[in-house]
Parts: sequence; structure tokens; C-alpha cells
Amino acid sequence: LAKTTQPISMDSYEGQEVNITCSHNNIATNDYITWYQQFPSQGPRFIIQGYKTKVTNEVASLFIPADRKSSTLSLPRVSLSDTAVYYCLVGPNNAGNMLTFGGGTRLMVKP
Amino acid sequence: ETGVTQSPTHLIKTRGQQVTLRCSSQSGHNTVSWYQQALGQGPQFIFQYYREEENGRGNFPPRFSGLQFPNYSSELNVNALELDDSALYLCASRPWTGPNTGELFFGEGSRLTVL
Repeated sequence: LAKTTQPISMDSYEGQEVNITCSHNNIATNDYITWYQQFPSQGPRFIIQGYKTKVTNEVASLFIPADRKSSTLSLPRVSLSDTAVYYCLVGPNNAGNMLTFGGGTRLMVKP
Repeated sequence: ETGVTQSPTHLIKTRGQQVTLRCSSQSGHNTVSWYQQALGQGPQFIFQYYREEENGRGNFPPRFSGLQFPNYSSELNVNALELDDSALYLCASRPWTGPNTGELFFGEGSRLTVL
């Protein structure tokens, strides 16, 4: 499975847009990019998944360049409740429930 | 539709003891997996169950074992507990069939402390 690298931590302020970039230089042709959010003492929660270009849903956007060696999770106008750990995962969709989590990015949103 | 529920939420054991953790998967989800999350780290895949059989396993020793029941609920058993087994144990479920969106549904976990 492709290894991912993302910043250990980031700080932001309420109302700002936050972009978290994940590097995955060894991504395979059949790999998808998935992001999860985790609050303390809770299980991870799926945010978004993409394969190429741009994907948008009601909570976030995912930007993937043509070479797919990186991706950026964009959170518009964050609030204090967006303080959490964000995980970037790369792997095939036929991996079943076998997700590979890295260390994640700890986002702190300040008032 | 109910989410993934786990029990107990917290428990304390001593080294060498055995523990059983329980999980009820989300309604309609027939695959269940377990993850171990040590403090400050990402979750690590333990194993996955489908149709009451283990069909995928991570890098965990045999003293980590599981069961899945006909109603798709599941148990995680850990024998001969070690101090390093202290962690948050997460259960996750997903339907086996249908479009795979990459979304797993996690419970809130069982926090195990081994003394």
C-alpha cells in the first residue's frame, strides 16, 4: 500500500479555509485517496474520497493533481468543532475493511 | 438506522488476563473489522470478518482472535494481555455488496487499560 506523508499538526482560526496536503508518491493505478476525521475518544468518520481531479461534498473538497502524487483536503470556513485529527489514506477500493492509517494531521482551530 | 455500537466503553485488566470486546454492526452491514489505536497514533487494522469467517488479518499475533455471529455482531478476544495492548479498540462495518465508496462506519471504541 502507498505510504502517505502529511503534516503532524496545523493551526487555524475560525472562519478560515484550511488546506491539508498529503503526499503519496508511490500511489498505484488502482488506488483511491480517502480522508477521515477523528475526534478524541471517538472512531474515525469518513469525509471524502476521490480518484482524480476534484471532488466536493457538503463538508469538504478534495483536490488531486494529474500525477496523483499528492492530494489536498480543503475545509471551507472552519469552526471550533473542526478541531480534530485528519487522516489521509491511499489504497484500492477492493481492500475491504483493511484501511491503512498513518499518523494524521492534528488540526487546531482557534477562536 | 442504528450505528456501530461497542461495549464496554472502558475497562481495566491486569497483565496476563483475557478480555472480550463486543460490537454490533450498523444495520445491513455484513462485514466487520477491528482496529487497535494506541495513544497518539492512527488506527491499526487487526482483522476483518465476513460470513462468520476471518478473511483478512493485519500484523497481530494469534492471541488476538475474533468471532462474527449470524446477526453480523462480532467479538474481539485478546489472551495473555500485555501492557502494550493498552489502546482504544475500534470496530467498523460496511456492507459487502454494493458500490464501494471507501466509507467505513466506526463505533466509538472500547478503551482498554492493562496494568
